[in-house]
Amino acid sequence: DTGVSQDPRHKITKRGQNVTFRCDPISEHNRLYWYRQTLGQGPEFLTYFQNEAQLEKSRLLSDRFSAERPKGSFSTLEIQRTEQGDSAMYLCASGSGGGGDEQFFGPGTRLTVL
Amino acid sequence: AQRVTQPEKLLSVFKGAPVELKCNYSYSGSPELFWYVQYSRQRLQLLLRHISRESIKGFTADLNKGETSFHLKKPFAQEEDSAMYYCALSGKTGGGNKLTFGTGTQLKVEL
Repeated sequence: DTGVSQDPRHKITKRGQNVTFRCDPISEHNRLYWYRQTLGQGPEFLTYFQNEAQLEKSRLLSDRFSAERPKGSFSTLEIQRTEQGDSAMYLCASGSGGGGDEQFFGPGTRLTVL
Repeated sequence: AQRVTQPEKLLSVFKGAPVELKCNYSYSGSPELFWYVQYSRQRLQLLLRHISRESIKGFTADLNKGETSFHLKKPFAQEEDSAMYYCALSGKTGGGNKLTFGTGTQLKVEL
């Protein structure tokens, strides 16, 4: 296991198109998080899964955003009708839970909306 | 609401000089604080967490609840310490531990 992986690493799309990103967490981790990072900012929480259940969504996650983790393993994040403001780095992290839970981050998917 | 503040966007020090990266937080409960680091062209990774009270790569951080601070310190900076450092606070959410990050401080260690 080489850690959390994300695909694609880069995505360029035109405004109005739909995009989907994939995250494969560390295999034994039951917790999965999505964050978004824009230039000059730290990562911002988007949503969290424990196994297949989506337990929290940030208000940053508008109706155009949807995330799934159908079998409690990999997760997908879809953005519909992309806008230029969606341009950012999308980070996935996984963890095993417990106090002081360390989150292991993937390399991120950089989205550019033209 | 929880918030993490890192007042310095860039900190430049000479090799061998002491380093202090500042972090202040606001949180109504009992916080769990972390420092994450991102080296050039690498992914974000955990450097240390306050509950471990450990020293990693010569770095330490003490949680000061009175001053709501969690400053990162190292007595002698090394060139390989040059990186982006993020302070983060963990708030319980539905059983999970979502992280609230500061805006980060770029540490540059000059020869």
